[in-house]
Amino acid sequence: SQELEQSPQSLIVQEGKNLTINCTSSKTLYGLYWYKQKYGEGLIFLMMLQKGGEEKSHEKITAKLDEKKQQSSLHITASQPSHAGIYLCGADPGSGSTLGRLYFGRGTQLTVWP
Amino acid sequence: NAGVTQTPKFRILKIGQSMTLQCTQDMNHNYMYWYRQDPGMGLKLIYYSVGAGITDKGEVPNGYNVSRSTTEDFPLRLELAAPSQTSVYFCASSYGDIGLLDTFGSGTRLTVV
Repeated sequence: SQELEQSPQSLIVQEGKNLTINCTSSKTLYGLYWYKQKYGEGLIFLMMLQKGGEEKSHEKITAKLDEKKQQSSLHITASQPSHAGIYLCGADPGSGSTLGRLYFGRGTQLTVWP
Repeated sequence: NAGVTQTPKFRILKIGQSMTLQCTQDMNHNYMYWYRQDPGMGLKLIYYSVGAGITDKGEVPNGYNVSRSTTEDFPLRLELAAPSQTSVYFCASSYGDIGLLDTFGSGTRLTVV
């Protein structure tokens, strides 16, 4: 099965600081999803990347997929307490019929203190 | 629209008991999924369905059963609960093979004692 490594496991930052979370795969990624999860809640979809070199932004969160399509990074600019939670990356291991059957990383716990 | 609705939110089971986790969606999505999330781990796919009457195993199907009699509902059945099934269960849906997996339920937290 495909393995996704997320780093760091946890991150504690002061409000206003920038931060980056990484997601690395040993195999080519056909689709890379980023989600945010708060305790007791479901996953909130942030964005999905498919093309090598692709970059997407949503508010202060930017995600990139490298050219080789084996690593993605999630960057938060000027972090706020509302950014706190667990960030999960999920990978689609193949195209077409396997869409939605994702493999997930273990998550990065983000704490933002005022 | 309610999106994906899961019930119950919490449940404690004794070893050997059975239960059904309910999942329903009102978006007319034909693909539905069950994932489990163990503490400190990523989500793992249990079963999925590409339409009414069609189900298939995911990565960790042992100890579970599913059915899909309607587009809206995708219940997950635990027949003989074991402590290893203590987990948080998430149901998700997407619109076919061109849809993003962007809609998850809020989860069912199950403890087997």
